[in-house]
Amino acid sequence: ETGVTQTPRHLVMGMTNKKSLKCEQHLGHNAMYWYKQSAKKPLELMFVYNFKEQTENNSVPSRFSPECPNSSHLFLHLHTLQPEDSALYLCASRQGLADTDTQYFGPGTRLTVL
Amino acid sequence: GQNIDQPTEMTATEGAIVQINCTYQTSGFNGLFWYQQHAGEAPTFLSYNVLDGLEEKGRFSSFLSRSKGYSYLLLKELQMKDSASYLCAVRDSNYQLIWGAGTKLIIKP
Repeated sequence: ETGVTQTPRHLVMGMTNKKSLKCEQHLGHNAMYWYKQSAKKPLELMFVYNFKEQTENNSVPSRFSPECPNSSHLFLHLHTLQPEDSALYLCASRQGLADTDTQYFGPGTRLTVL
Repeated sequence: GQNIDQPTEMTATEGAIVQINCTYQTSGFNGLFWYQQHAGEAPTFLSYNVLDGLEEKGRFSSFLSRSKGYSYLLLKELQMKDSASYLCAVRDSNYQLIWGAGTKLIIKP
């Protein structure tokens, strides 16, 4: 068991829909991340939360809206997406900021925008 | 700009040894990570190097040369289950991870 769960695993939505991705970590970590993974491209960091506070927003379009109600849960709200937003969206968590702290990933949500 | 380069795809034979290279150009260096990602699954942590040299962990080893901006992941006694993508990532001076596009490793019987 990975310790980081994501729902749904697959999502197909139209460009006018509104949907949300959910991530939950059961590891007691303090930092959570959203990444976008497109085929044959590097992971793109989207958002970072440390102790529920957003510390990083890598110029992500406003049609992606994160929410972190507590240190165990992270959401990504989606609205009026574009077909090029189709990708695998990965959530990750990390214990703290020590050099050796690694990120633990969830299985991802495969998003298709029609 | 910051850049991580690794081969797109490699093929190797079951039981053999394969070396996956990673070169990086980043603003600062605070460690290099290797992750394994099976198709449709989460990336999982394999190794971490911050000092020059070789770190061995079972069948997998990772090497780092900071002066050359170079690392490799060495996989020995390859098994079919090692077929996966291998991601190289460098932590920069801002403690952000910069990721490579991954190397897809195909193992043939």
